[in-house]
Amino acid sequence: DTAVSQTPKYLVTQMGNDKSIKCEQNLGHDTMYWYKQDSKKFLKIMFSYNNKELIINETVPNRFSPKSPDKAHLNLHINSLELGDSAVYFCASSSRLAGVPDTQYFGPGTRLTVL
Amino acid sequence: DAKTTQPPSMDCAEGRAANLPCNHSTISGNEYVYWYRQIHSQGPQYIIHGLKNNETNEMASLIITEDRKSSTLILPHATLRDTAVYYCIVRVRNQGGKLIFGQGTELSVKP
Repeated sequence: DTAVSQTPKYLVTQMGNDKSIKCEQNLGHDTMYWYKQDSKKFLKIMFSYNNKELIINETVPNRFSPKSPDKAHLNLHINSLELGDSAVYFCASSSRLAGVPDTQYFGPGTRLTVL
Repeated sequence: DAKTTQPPSMDCAEGRAANLPCNHSTISGNEYVYWYRQIHSQGPQYIIHGLKNNETNEMASLIITEDRKSSTLILPHATLRDTAVYYCIVRVRNQGGKLIFGQGTELSVKP
């Protein structure tokens, strides 16, 4: 069974469009994250949600809007896509419960290409 | 910015031990050392973590120096499937915090 899943795996779109990437985890975790990996392979945190509450927002343009309908899902909506948004986006999850290892588990990534 | 320094690349012969160093001279007393790896085109994968004692699991061993300013990840019998970028990260544990990835070490295991 897949622990952290993302859809779609690949997304090719035109500049100016609006798109969403979905993430789901079946690990029972209470914290979820979005990371961006650019063309130079640097992985950087974008957002983190704990129990549906935003706890990390790393100065990401407000064209990016995460939404957490429940603890198991964290979706990423991007408005007015730009060429520089082309990257691989990784979702991850972990637990903040005391006594539980806080290992982050990553999804397979969504490769976004903006033309 | 990442608080760790790693060599950008290393080679290892298949079947031999791979020793990946990491410097973290500014580590705080409550920060743990974590290791993750990223195999090409996949999401990062947790390997191991430790505070000050050496740790071992089914994937690797982690050796942390007594002053905690550096550590070494050891893959005892590297296989071709261990070819990946290995990231050393220091962070406080169990606070739901972000992982700050540096450039990592690109390990190539060769036959």
